[in-house]
Amino acid sequence: DSGVTQTPKHLITATGQRVTLRCSPRSGDLSVYWYQQSLDQGLQFLIQYYNGEERAKGNILERFSAQQFPDLHSELNLSSLELGDSALYFCASSVAWRESADTQYFGPGTRLTVL
Amino acid sequence: KNQVEQSPQSLIILEGKNCTLQCNYTVSPFSNLRWYKQDTGRGPVSLTIMTFSENTKSNGRYTATLDADTKQSSLHITASQLSDSASYICVVISFGGGSYIPTFGRGTSLIVHP
Repeated sequence: DSGVTQTPKHLITATGQRVTLRCSPRSGDLSVYWYQQSLDQGLQFLIQYYNGEERAKGNILERFSAQQFPDLHSELNLSSLELGDSALYFCASSVAWRESADTQYFGPGTRLTVL
Repeated sequence: KNQVEQSPQSLIILEGKNCTLQCNYTVSPFSNLRWYKQDTGRGPVSLTIMTFSENTKSNGRYTATLDADTKQSSLHITASQLSDSASYICVVISFGGGSYIPTFGRGTSLIVHP
């Protein structure tokens, strides 16, 4: 158990819908990262937040958005869902945000299926 | 373009044997290189993190090496166990303009047979 929690574990929805994935980081971690993992693309970095502020953006689509709340939990919102958005979505947390070799701890993931 | 190439794509070994996985990268500027173990359907688990000045890092039966000159890294697994069956992912971290930028390899799928 990494200490990072993600809900829900599974999500099945239809094309065009909107969903929200939730992540609670490890106690004491201020950075939250979101990743997408699909069979054809592998792991891809989406976005990073540190202490409530966006710090880095990866291959995140405009249909996707995220935020980190004052209690440090984070939500990833996916809208106008397409079949290709079906994937495992991971959240990870770490202590710092800048140049450092601190460990990232990954949550168990949310499996999203878009029908 | 930043790239991370891993080889082999898949590997089958017998329990108790050693194996070495490779990671070649073209990432600039380089900050650190990480190896993760990922069991099917679960989140990746960090094995090692190496910065530019480190050329070897161990974590139990896992030993990672880094050659920053040739831009190559390897992960050596000693005395393999059935529980080592997993995907091993190499990630190279860059910090461009102060922002975290990871480049992921596609992973090596390792199967350990009894």
